[in-house]
Amino acid sequence: LAKTTQPISMDSYEGQEVNITCSHNNIATNDYITWYQQFPSQGPRFIIQGYKTKVTNEVASLFIPADRKSSTLSLPRVSLSDTAVYYCLVGDLGPAGNKLTFGGGTRVLVKP
Amino acid sequence: IAGITQAPTSQILAAGRRMTLRCTQDMRHNAMYWYRQDLGLGLRLIHYSNTAGTTGKGEVPDGYSVSRANTDDFPLTLASAVPSQTSVYFCASSDGLNYGYTFGSGTRLTVV
Repeated sequence: LAKTTQPISMDSYEGQEVNITCSHNNIATNDYITWYQQFPSQGPRFIIQGYKTKVTNEVASLFIPADRKSSTLSLPRVSLSDTAVYYCLVGDLGPAGNKLTFGGGTRVLVKP
Repeated sequence: IAGITQAPTSQILAAGRRMTLRCTQDMRHNAMYWYRQDLGLGLRLIHYSNTAGTTGKGEVPDGYSVSRANTDDFPLTLASAVPSQTSVYFCASSDGLNYGYTFGSGTRLTVV
């Protein structure tokens, strides 16, 4: 699985947009990019997944440039409840690749 | 509500004792996983099972064993617990087609 690098922590304020960039220089052709969110004392929760360009859902947007060597998770107008750890994962969707490897994640703190 | 049930939610265990962490899912997912999460280290894969009857080793399998007798259950056994196995353990499952893993609420295990 491709190694990922993301910032250890980020601070923001309520109502701002938070952008977390993840580097994955050795991403393979079959790899997808997936982001998870984890609140304290809970298991991770799937946020969004993409292969290229832009993906948007009710929670976030995911921007992937043409070379796919990085991706940016965008959280619009964050609230205090968005304080969590966000994980970027890269891997093959096939059966042999279905073993997620989590890095340390990015700890996002939303302040009032 | 469909999802993953883990038991117990927390446990204090004497070193050297045997312990089985239980995990049950009702989504009929083929793939199941066990992760451990230690402070500052993200989640690390212990064992996985792509389908009933098969299991595989993850990143940190030593000291742990698993079985997958049926689709729904994926217990994790510590044959002889050691203090370094103090951690939060998360069970997860997926349909094997995408990275939308569903995680349980975790078991907090303390080995003393």
